[in-house]
Amino acid sequence: AQSVTQLDSQVPVFEEAPVELRCNYSSSVSVYLFWYVQYPNQGLQLLLKYLSGSTLVESINGFEAEFNKSQTSFHLRKPSVHISDTAEYFCAVSDRDFNKFYFGSGTKLNVKP
Amino acid sequence: GEEVAQTPKHLVRGEGQKAKLYCAPIKGHSYVFWYQQVLKNEFKFLISFQNENVFDETGMPKERFSAKCLPNSPCSLEIQATKLEDSAVYFCASSQGGSVSYEQYFGPGTRLTVT
Repeated sequence: AQSVTQLDSQVPVFEEAPVELRCNYSSSVSVYLFWYVQYPNQGLQLLLKYLSGSTLVESINGFEAEFNKSQTSFHLRKPSVHISDTAEYFCAVSDRDFNKFYFGSGTKLNVKP
Repeated sequence: GEEVAQTPKHLVRGEGQKAKLYCAPIKGHSYVFWYQQVLKNEFKFLISFQNENVFDETGMPKERFSAKCLPNSPCSLEIQATKLEDSAVYFCASSQGGSVSYEQYFGPGTRLTVT
């Protein structure tokens, strides 16, 4: 079975500052990795995903995440955050065999003006 | 459709009453998943379907929870005799599955409040 750890439950940051949201996973098999974002009172939206190939993946709104197999991590980064990035971010791992997602406990990103 | 649809948006039930939630997956998606998000924002996997067949039900509290995905009908999640601890947002997700994509597309959720 897989597990996902998001160590930071809340991350306060000022607008235009860089941010990193950490995600570590444990798995004995190859996995797919995802970051989802949840805005208040809404469902999850896919931010970016790693399936194979380049270990650095990017989203259309400036976020990027790097798959590090040796450290079993998939940290999410953005060089300059905006107020509109305030949301909760969930890291997820999918077992390639069973198409089942395991979610981290989420990190609340609070961008202050 | 192009989005996962969930109804109702909000549901209030007295303790002991039945609750039934519905999910229409994206057209062409073979897999449907149900998750429960409780106050701490943790997502708990409940059950998944491959077409109308149960794929994985390891997260289901079988005593009171049941789910179905029948052909030509929305999928449903039913809770018999609700308890206060069932208060949560229930999310449905669908995916194409197989070798095409493991990405799950989530619906807006149904907020169940048990009083």
